[in-house]
Amino acid sequence: GNSVTQMEGPVTLSEEAFLTINCTYTATGYPSLFWYVQYPGEGLQLLLKATKADDKGSNKGFEATYRKETTSFHLEKGSVQVSDSAVYFCALSDEGGGADGLTFGKGTHLIIQP
Amino acid sequence: DTGVSQDPRHKITKRGQNVTFRCDPISEHNRLYWYRQTLGQGPEFLTYFQNEAQLEKSRLLSDRFSAERPKGSFSTLEIQRTEQGDSAMYLCASSFETGITIYFGEGSWLTVV
Repeated sequence: GNSVTQMEGPVTLSEEAFLTINCTYTATGYPSLFWYVQYPGEGLQLLLKATKADDKGSNKGFEATYRKETTSFHLEKGSVQVSDSAVYFCALSDEGGGADGLTFGKGTHLIIQP
Repeated sequence: DTGVSQDPRHKITKRGQNVTFRCDPISEHNRLYWYRQTLGQGPEFLTYFQNEAQLEKSRLLSDRFSAERPKGSFSTLEIQRTEQGDSAMYLCASSFETGITIYFGEGSWLTVV
């Protein structure tokens, strides 16, 4: 079955530091890949997505590139802000949109200190 | 369009009581999903509707759980005879049938005491 593995948290960085959150996946075929962000007490917001190999998703300064050869979709940001503190989830869906929706990783808690 | 909305946002109930959550998806989205998220974990799929038809159910969805989407618009998730292990956030999400992006609501927190 499908699975997503993310680096364990919490990840603590200083403001303006460079961020990488690793994500690798196992899936058959050609899944679509997503990063969602969850702020305390709230639901999930889509941050970015990529639907095929070598696609780069980007939003709000965050980027992730779909690497099929390494089955990875690492999240990066060049200069983080305190407001980026949240839990980040990597997820995949089967090609064409699987009936069971998304498979999520366990999440990475990011803490940005001023 | 205000996105996916869920009600109530928070519910505290005594063990053994029944609870019901409501979800209003983004209008014109014909797929609707329910997920459960426990503390420190990612969301886990519970069930999925296409229009009014419930097409998929996870083995996580015990017989105490029932979901409906009677007119293909809003959905309800009922938990009967709640147990402490049901304490979690219940997330609703929706998408177009041909879309790959799933949009989530704010979630409904359930605490069973």
